[in-house]
Amino acid sequence: EPEVTQTPSHQVTQMGQEVILRCVPISNHLYFYWYRQILGQKVEFLVSFYNNEISEKSEIFDDQFSVERPDGSNFTLKIRSTKLEDSAMYFCASSADRVAYTQYFGPGTRLTVL
Amino acid sequence: AQRVTQPEKLLSVFKGAPVELKCNYSYSGSPELFWYVQYSRQRLQLLLRHISRESIKGFTADLNKGETSFHLKKPFAQEEDSAMYYCALSRGGSQGNLIFGKGTKLSVKP
Repeated sequence: EPEVTQTPSHQVTQMGQEVILRCVPISNHLYFYWYRQILGQKVEFLVSFYNNEISEKSEIFDDQFSVERPDGSNFTLKIRSTKLEDSAMYFCASSADRVAYTQYFGPGTRLTVL
Repeated sequence: AQRVTQPEKLLSVFKGAPVELKCNYSYSGSPELFWYVQYSRQRLQLLLRHISRESIKGFTADLNKGETSFHLKKPFAQEEDSAMYYCALSRGGSQGNLIFGKGTKLSVKP
């Protein structure tokens, strides 16, 4: 069964550094999402992406964040200048359509900002 | 504002006992409700959604719009049901993003 994959599984970075988190959604899916989960807190929506543009974003997704689908298979989340509070588990998800809203999640990338 | 509340952080039951994981939501429109499950060291995966009205792994959930609830139930818990359970809401229409509750950890003891 096809799955969403994410790399790396764990990323450690220094505060102020740029990080890029990578995701490969399921191949025939059209809608892509990033969520994050700070340790001990709920899973929070960051951004959704469709037809090569952002369709919705939360207030968390400020100018420090950007998303891209550079080559038709990868879906990336970039954090330009990381802060300590960006430390979290980042989940990518994809869905085939919005009607059923069934989102398939990747295993997550644990980002640690020192 | 939309909100999903799961009042129990941890629910511990014995094998064979009934289970009910509570979920209440706050949304003025017509939401889509979901239950996601995360087994130990595995990814979040969809367990069931209210529009399908299906039973998965013996679990059912009924949307009660009057009480704004979507509780997850299973008549006889199994040890393999031990996991983290998240209730989630989607606002429907063009808003596909999910709003999650904090999750309930279900522990089924032998």
